Amino acid sequence: EPEVTQTPSHQVTQMGQEVILRCVPISNHLYFYWYRQILGQKVEFLVSFYNNEISEKSEIFDDQFSVERPDGSNFTLKIRSTKLEDSAMYFCASSGPRDRPNTGELFFGEGSRLTVL
Amino acid sequence: GENVEQHPSTLSVQEGDSAVIKCTYSDSASNYFPWYKQELGKRPQLIIDIRSNVGEKKDQRIAVTLNKTAKHFSLHITETQPEDSAVYFCAAMETSYDKVIFGPGTSLSVIP
Repeated sequence: EPEVTQTPSHQVTQMGQEVILRCVPISNHLYFYWYRQILGQKVEFLVSFYNNEISEKSEIFDDQFSVERPDGSNFTLKIRSTKLEDSAMYFCASSGPRDRPNTGELFFGEGSRLTVL
Repeated sequence: GENVEQHPSTLSVQEGDSAVIKCTYSDSASNYFPWYKQELGKRPQLIIDIRSNVGEKKDQRIAVTLNKTAKHFSLHITETQPEDSAVYFCAAMETSYDKVIFGPGTSLSVIP
């Protein structure tokens, strides 16, 4: 069964450094998302991406964050100048298989745990 | 924007009893309501969903009800088992699929 894959599974970085989290969505999906989950808390929406552009973003997704689809398979989240409070699990998700455009179901990757020291 | 509330935040039930989790949403444009189960250290996984043109949906021991007028939807788990122990998130999505907004979660413990 196709899956969303994410790398790295865990990244430790120093405060102020830049990190790039990578995702490979399911190949026939149309919508891509990044979510954040601080330990023990809710799953927070960051950004959605459709047709090669951002379609929606939350107030969390400020100028520190950016997303990119550099090729036909990868979807990346870049966090510049990391802060302690950026420590969280970052989940990539995709939805919208081409043959069922209205499904809406999100398929999540296993997540990338970011630890900022 | 959409805001999803969820109650209770924690729930303990005896094995075999039923569990009910309730959610409310704020945006009347939302028309897709999924429920996700998240086990410790793992990704959220869809367990059931309901669309606004349906009032109730059932899948074995799990059922979801939706009241669009009141903007309420609920998850019902019958005959609970220890493996049902997890955090459950309700969510709401608009037709545009631009975002799915999650509730704060309910930590369910099923006591053997």
